[in-house]
Amino acid sequence: KAGVTQTPRYLIKTRGQQVTLSCSPISGHRSVSWYQQTPGQGLQFLFEYFSETQRNKGNFPGRFSGRQFSNSRSEMNVSTLELGDSALYLCASSLGEAGWEKKNTEAFFGQGTRLTVV
Amino acid sequence: LAKTTQPISMDSYEGQEVNITCSHNNIATNDYITWYQQFPSQGPRFIIQGYKTKVTNEVASLFIPADRKSSTLSLPRVSLSDTAVYYCLVGEHLFYQAGTALIFGKGTTLSVSS
Repeated sequence: KAGVTQTPRYLIKTRGQQVTLSCSPISGHRSVSWYQQTPGQGLQFLFEYFSETQRNKGNFPGRFSGRQFSNSRSEMNVSTLELGDSALYLCASSLGEAGWEKKNTEAFFGQGTRLTVV
Repeated sequence: LAKTTQPISMDSYEGQEVNITCSHNNIATNDYITWYQQFPSQGPRFIIQGYKTKVTNEVASLFIPADRKSSTLSLPRVSLSDTAVYYCLVGEHLFYQAGTALIFGKGTTLSVSS
């Protein structure tokens, strides 16, 4: 079974530009979550999409947005890039469903997109 | 969300058993405890998950005492390739437990030497 695929793997952008990152989840997974990882702040949750709807959102400015398509693939967009947006952006897929009587489901992470803003 | 506390770093030698303890005093009744491993420039990888007592899989064991206020990840006979950051996660709400909206702490950096 193919894993989570993120494209591109590396990206260099100029301050003020915008960028779009892509994530293809594991087949059958309906949830895609996005995370930002920096040396200073660690791994931070950005947002989660489930069945094309944003279901959870972290504490990031509106410059960070995302969407999910009917095939569960997801994109995240960052507008008006700042130097501080340089980070490893990770996406994770999971079944995304749980109930109090059900066990947790694990998240499967991609290898990430390394974004450098200059 | 239940706050977790882990040691920032640990050192070990090849062949030793490593135990990483995570404190989560405010764990809720429905929370599971999950551990992830992350190598540099890669996404985290699920290691093990448990609710109470002991859970063992092919890579690790997870010990959870009756009060569930802490948990210990045990890695038997570590090798150099076990050098990584280990995260302990505890969630409160349904979405968290569904493997989404994970909140990571700083994790424990394990360094294994020969």
